[in-house]
Amino acid sequence: GEDVEQSLFLSVREGDSSVINCTYTDSSSTYLYWYKQEPGAGLQLLTYIFSNMDMKQDQRLTVLLNKKDKHLSLRIADTQTGDSAIYFCAAEAGGYQKVTFGTGTKLQVIP
Amino acid sequence: NAGVTQTPKFQVLKTGQSMTLQCAQDMNHEYMSWYRQDPGMGLRLIHYSVGAGITDQGEVPNGYNVSRSTTEDFPLRLLSAAPSQTSVYFCASRRDRSYNEQFFGPGTRLTVL
Repeated sequence: GEDVEQSLFLSVREGDSSVINCTYTDSSSTYLYWYKQEPGAGLQLLTYIFSNMDMKQDQRLTVLLNKKDKHLSLRIADTQTGDSAIYFCAAEAGGYQKVTFGTGTKLQVIP
Repeated sequence: NAGVTQTPKFQVLKTGQSMTLQCAQDMNHEYMSWYRQDPGMGLRLIHYSVGAGITDQGEVPNGYNVSRSTTEDFPLRLLSAAPSQTSVYFCASRRDRSYNEQFFGPGTRLTVL
C-alpha cells in the first residue's frame, strides 16, 4: 500500500514562512491533500492539488508538487500564532476511498 | 447544518466490553468513513461506506463492525474491546466521488483498560 511520510515537528517565528514537507510512494496518486487539525478537533481541509499540477496558490498557502520525486510541500507565508496546529499530508490513489494520511507535522509558532 | 457529529466525546471501557460509537451527518453525503488516530501513525481507515446498505473494509478493520442503514448514520461497533483499540476515532463524510473534500467530526477519545 501507499506510504506517506512527514517530519513530526516544525518551529517557526511569527511572521516567518513555514514549509512543511511530505513524501509519498504511489506514483499513481491523483490528488494530494493538506489538512489542518487544531487541538481537540477533527481535521479540516486546507487545500489540495491534482497530480497534473506543479503548484497551487491560495492566499497565504502555496502547495508545490514534484511528481518525479513524489514530494509535496506546503508553504505558509507570514505565519501567525493561529497557524499553530498539526498539518496532515494525504494522498489519494486507486479510488476516492483510498486516501492515505501521513503522521502529521506539529507546527509551533513562536510569538 | 451541524456537519458531522460524533458521540460520545470520551469513553472508558474495560477489556471485553462492547460499545457503539455514533456518527451522523446532515449534508446528504454518499460516502462516510471511520478512521483511528494513534500517535506516530497518522490516520488509518477502519471501514467505509459509499452509500446506504454498502460498506467495505479499510486498512485496519479487525475488531470493528459497521452498518449503514440510512444515508445519515454510520455507527462503529466494537464487539469485544481490547487495549489495542485505545485511540481517537474520527468519522468523516464526503459528498461523492467528484467532490474532493472530506468533512471530519470532532472525534471520540476511547480508552480501553
